[in-house]
Amino acid sequence: GIQVEQSPPDLILQEGANSTLRCNFSDSVNNLQWFHQNPWGQLINLFYIPSGTKQNGRLSATTVATERYSLLYISSSQTTDSGVYFCAVDTSYGKLTFGQGTILTVHP
Amino acid sequence: SAVISQKPSRDICQRGTSLTIQCQVDSQVTMMFWYRQQPGQSLTLIATANQGSEATYESGFVIDKFPISRPNLTFSTLTVSNMSPEDSSIYLCSVANQRSGNTIYFGEGSWLTVV
Repeated sequence: GIQVEQSPPDLILQEGANSTLRCNFSDSVNNLQWFHQNPWGQLINLFYIPSGTKQNGRLSATTVATERYSLLYISSSQTTDSGVYFCAVDTSYGKLTFGQGTILTVHP
Repeated sequence: SAVISQKPSRDICQRGTSLTIQCQVDSQVTMMFWYRQQPGQSLTLIATANQGSEATYESGFVIDKFPISRPNLTFSTLTVSNMSPEDSSIYLCSVANQRSGNTIYFGEGSWLTVV
């Protein structure tokens, strides 16, 4: 099956710093989504981005489907950005394969 | 978007018992799925809940352990049977609806601890 790799596995930032999270995938995909999992376990949709670039406030994402990677940018990080960020790809409508996640810790 | 409610949100269960998790969506959806997230791990797909027919299970998951029902287009249940401590996980319901594009949405999750 498809492989999804995220890097870095852990990231520690000071509030206000910028960061880039990466997601590599091993095959063509129908869909790619970025999620933020908060400390209570809830998965929050950040982006649906099978290709191209999207921005939402301090967050933006770019997927280069031909090169099989996606990037999530977080600017001016805040403590509330802490949590686990997952990339997930959809190869068969609705069935997601998740990466292992990036654990982000933002210190005040 | 879709609003997805899961019950229970959290439970502590005795070894050997079974627990049923409910997933209710605020609108009719085409596809419903169940995932498991073991402590410190990523999410793994358990099965696709098919309306009016038997669920489709992923490799490593079987119906006897994780029976699933989907009586209509807005509701599904997952039962975790004969639980052991290894079943301690977050169980999440997700939905996909072509009318909302291809975005996948998740419920809040059900945290199960087996003692």
